[in-house]
Amino acid sequence: GQSLEQPSEVTAVEGAIVQINCTYQTSGFYGLSWYQQHDGGAPTFLSYNALDGLEETGRFSSFLSRSDSYGYLLLQELQMKDSASYFCAVRVQGGKLIFGQGTELSVKP
Amino acid sequence: DTAVSQTPKYLVTQMGNDKSIKCEQNLGHDTMYWYKQDSKKFLKIMFSYNNKELIINETVPNRFSPKSPDKAHLNLHINSLELGDSAVYFCASSSRLAGDQETQYFGPGTRLLVL
Repeated sequence: GQSLEQPSEVTAVEGAIVQINCTYQTSGFYGLSWYQQHDGGAPTFLSYNALDGLEETGRFSSFLSRSDSYGYLLLQELQMKDSASYFCAVRVQGGKLIFGQGTELSVKP
Repeated sequence: DTAVSQTPKYLVTQMGNDKSIKCEQNLGHDTMYWYKQDSKKFLKIMFSYNNKELIINETVPNRFSPKSPDKAHLNLHINSLELGDSAVYFCASSSRLAGDQETQYFGPGTRLLVL
């Protein structure tokens, strides 16, 4: 089967750093993506890792370890607007994305 | 300048009715998708088309029928609506030709409520 595990919710304060972990078990693996979704909004692409290592894009970074079937999204200098749901998604054959259940991040003042 | 648009944004209907949701993208992408997001925010792929050809067809009741008249459009028709069909339906697109199929661009969603 296909399964992705990520925490259901995380709380942090403004200016802090938070890490959202994702472990996966899928048949076939091409890469790990992260999407952000605000309440009532559409998912928006944040990052994609096909190879092991850290990818940095501004305040957000994403890490992948293929041997551990594990990745994480790191958000630095948290802002109130970062309060949203964050989804990891594995890309499998055929371009299909298998999504995790999402992590609801609450940023407090 | 909307990249991926869907109509309608909201859809409230009675059980047993037939309804359609339309999606259009102006990004020049060659691949389009339909996703269903349930009340627990679980996002699941339903269908995908590449250049009007069906390439992903998940285990979805055959009451759901996608149709892609051209690369820029992907519609979803739902027959005999059931209570369990209530969800948010997202259309998305990506580009295989540009080698960037990892990035999917989502439409604003259609909130379907079946009464």
